Amino acid sequence: AQTVTQSQPEMSVQEAETVTLSCTYDTSENNYYLFWYKQPPSRQMILVIRQEAYKQQNATENRFSVNFQKAAKSFSLKISDSQLGDTAMYFCAFMKHVSGANSKLTFGKGITLSVRP
Amino acid sequence: GAGVSQSPSNKVTEKGKDVELRCDPISGHTALYWYRQSLGQGLEFLIYFQGNSAPDKSGLPSDRFSAERTGGSVSTLTIQRTQQEDSAVYLCASSLRQGVYYEQYFGPGTRLTVT
Repeated sequence: AQTVTQSQPEMSVQEAETVTLSCTYDTSENNYYLFWYKQPPSRQMILVIRQEAYKQQNATENRFSVNFQKAAKSFSLKISDSQLGDTAMYFCAFMKHVSGANSKLTFGKGITLSVRP
Repeated sequence: GAGVSQSPSNKVTEKGKDVELRCDPISGHTALYWYRQSLGQGLEFLIYFQGNSAPDKSGLPSDRFSAERTGGSVSTLTIQRTQQEDSAVYLCASSLRQGVYYEQYFGPGTRLTVT
């Protein structure tokens, strides 16, 4: 079974600054995906960024980038130039790759990020 | 296009009553998932439907919980004899294969409160 750990329950950052959210996971799988989801107060889960485990290059999406350390089983999210709209709960998630089929997501507990004006 | 929709948005029910939660996936999506988000347990997988295959029910917490997916589209999650610990946000997601990867698109959830 897979586990995902987000040890920081809350973080705060000044607008325009950079913040890093931590995530570690445990799995015996070799082929999998890692995700960061954002959940604003509207409850809508929004995919922020995805990382395939077989790729060494860290994923980047505009202001969002990850630091994927496969050997250490670490997957942190860096948000650059923080904006007020980034205020939300952020979840780290794991999905096992299953050839030709779908697979469930395993989530961490989440972290509440507040961006201060 | 239209995203995943869920109804009702909020539901308050008395302990012991049965409730039904509905999920309308994105048209054409072959897979559908239910997750539960609660204060104590975080976000946890409940059940997963894939096409005509038997559903993966491994996450259902008790036999009071059941789900069905009619015609490969709409899904209903039913909770019988609700308990206070069932209070949570129930999220539905659907997915469609994109290459070798299946992205899950989430609905806005149903907040269930058991009094």
